[in-house]
Amino acid sequence: ILNVEQSPQSLHVQEGDSTNFTCSFPSSNFYALHWYRWETAKSPEALFVMTLNGDEKKKGRISATLNTKEGYSYLYIKGSQPEDSATYLCAQSNDYKLSFGAGTTVTVRA
Amino acid sequence: EAQVTQNPRYLITVTGKKLTVTCSQNMNHEYMSWYRQDPGLGLRQIYYSMNVEVTDKGDVPEGYKVSRKEKRNFPLILESPSPNQTSLYFCASSFGLEAFFGQGTRLTVV
Repeated sequence: ILNVEQSPQSLHVQEGDSTNFTCSFPSSNFYALHWYRWETAKSPEALFVMTLNGDEKKKGRISATLNTKEGYSYLYIKGSQPEDSATYLCAQSNDYKLSFGAGTTVTVRA
Repeated sequence: EAQVTQNPRYLITVTGKKLTVTCSQNMNHEYMSWYRQDPGLGLRQIYYSMNVEVTDKGDVPEGYKVSRKEKRNFPLILESPSPNQTSLYFCASSFGLEAFFGQGTRLTVV
């Protein structure tokens, strides 16, 4: 079992503000790091998959960075909007197996 | 449209009454898996399957069975459900590094 931790567990952001949160994972035997966005009553939706140390990925206002040597990844939301409200899950994979963190729930207040 | 379909979406049952949650994918993926999601614990893998007739235990397999007779289907079987199996269940299928999730099945065992 891979020990993936996310912090904070939840956060509230004012509309228009930017925010970021953390995923930490064991740095040994690293294969890939995944970020998913999960809205209540919907399927988790893949945001990013990163495999290389120093990787940076961006999709619209959301971006992520990866540090495999120290075992952490940051997810950034720039100019938060109400539609960004969701739980953001990170997962580390070895081959096909995904080990998830407990998630960070983001609530954007208008 | 590429998708993973779970049924039912919601189920309330009584302790000890056998049930099956179906999962079907139309992407011809070899790898499929089942997860349960509980508050504060993230997604935990129950069982996975690398291909037809090839299944193995994940992190929390107790009380569950699976079968993989066809590539597209991967049902989750609870032979004798108990209240501690009340949870939100997700099926996923994968190709390479990307996993696709079903919409979830919320199971309540009373």
